[in-house]
Amino acid sequence: QKEVEQNSGPLSVPEGAIASLNCTYSDRGSQSFFWYRQYSGKSPELIMFIYSNGDKEDGRFTAQLNKASQYVSLLIRDSQPSDSATYLCAWRGSGGGADGLTFGKGTHLIIQP
Amino acid sequence: DAGVIQSPRHEVTEMGQEVTLRCKPISGHNSLFWYRQTMMRGLELLIYFNNNVPIDDSGMPEDRFSAKMPNASFSTLKIQPSEPRDSAVYFCASSSEGTHLDTQYFGPGTRLTVL
Repeated sequence: QKEVEQNSGPLSVPEGAIASLNCTYSDRGSQSFFWYRQYSGKSPELIMFIYSNGDKEDGRFTAQLNKASQYVSLLIRDSQPSDSATYLCAWRGSGGGADGLTFGKGTHLIIQP
Repeated sequence: DAGVIQSPRHEVTEMGQEVTLRCKPISGHNSLFWYRQTMMRGLELLIYFNNNVPIDDSGMPEDRFSAKMPNASFSTLKIQPSEPRDSAVYFCASSSEGTHLDTQYFGPGTRLTVL
């Protein structure tokens, strides 16, 4: 069974601090990884993707991937109240761009003003 | 760009009735995905199409569910007969075929309630 595990939270972080979200996956064939943000009552929207081991930075967001440990994380620097949402980790196998995504159940993040 | 369009946005029906959900992908996208989201199971892939052809329907829960994509601009997900456990938010997403990095863009979803 291909799975993605995330701590459901809620994860509470003070405004301005770093929020750290973690995800583990079970399939060593996983090739690419995605972080989606979902506000309550809205659809998921892509924040970042990563496919190589190491860090990838985009503005206040940094994705980290460790394929040996089957671990992917998302760091949010200078957290803002608008970052309060559910963050979904997802992966895609090696079948190519047309494959569907396997999602974790998400981590509910609360940024406290 | 209008994005992925889904209709209806909300659907309330009674057990045993047929439900049809509709999706218009982003113009030019070759792949279309149907997902279902519930509190218990999270976001699950039901089926996806590539160039209008169903590629993997292993996520479809049972024979009551069926999906079609008659052309590149339209897809339907049908539940017949519906049951209360089908209550969920159903999302359609589309992407352009290419590498494993292709982004899936989600529609606003259809919130289905089966009484």
